[in-house]
Amino acid sequence: AQSVTQLGSHVSVSEGALVLLRCNYSSSVPPYLFWYVQYPNQGLQLLLKYTTGATLVKGINGFEAEFKKSETSFHLTKPSAHMSDAAEYFCAVSEKGKTSYDKVIFGPGTSLSVIP
Amino acid sequence: GAGVSQSPSNKVTEKGKDVELRCDPISGHTALYWYRQSLGQGLEFLIYFQGNSAPDKSGLPSDRFSAERTGGSVSTLTIQRTQQEDSAVYLCASSLASNSHEAFFGQGTRLTVV
Repeated sequence: AQSVTQLGSHVSVSEGALVLLRCNYSSSVPPYLFWYVQYPNQGLQLLLKYTTGATLVKGINGFEAEFKKSETSFHLTKPSAHMSDAAEYFCAVSEKGKTSYDKVIFGPGTSLSVIP
Repeated sequence: GAGVSQSPSNKVTEKGKDVELRCDPISGHTALYWYRQSLGQGLEFLIYFQGNSAPDKSGLPSDRFSAERTGGSVSTLTIQRTQQEDSAVYLCASSLASNSHEAFFGQGTRLTVV
């Protein structure tokens, strides 16, 4: 069964600094990988996803993530943090190659704070 | 509708009462998910529907929890004999059939059991 871990339940960065949010997954088959963001008092929205093809995926708001099979990782990065990036970030995985009757599993989330 | 709609947005109930939470997915989305988000916790998977069928109910915490989906559209999550530990935000999401597709989330129902 697939699972997701996110190292660091809370990350603080200074405005303008690099953002790095870590995600590692386990999956018995090649995965689909997702990053979602949840702003305060709002629902989740998709930042980016990896399904096939290029392993470096670009998403909205300047975020990107790289699928590294050898490391079973899908870390999220942004070169320069903005105050508006403060939110909860969730990494998620589902399993490719099975039937479409499969669930998406979410990690525990990382709360990002941006310090002025 | 334009997005996933959940109702009510907030629900306060007394311990021992039954509650029903409703989810209207995006039209045409055959996959529907229910998750639970407790304070400071991640997203706990509850149940997944493909059409009206629930291939995976493994996340339901106890037999007090049940869910159904009718007409391949609206879904209802029912919690019987609510307990204080059931207090959480219940999130519904829908997507196109394949699990490679983006899941669109509703705003959630905040359930408080007093």
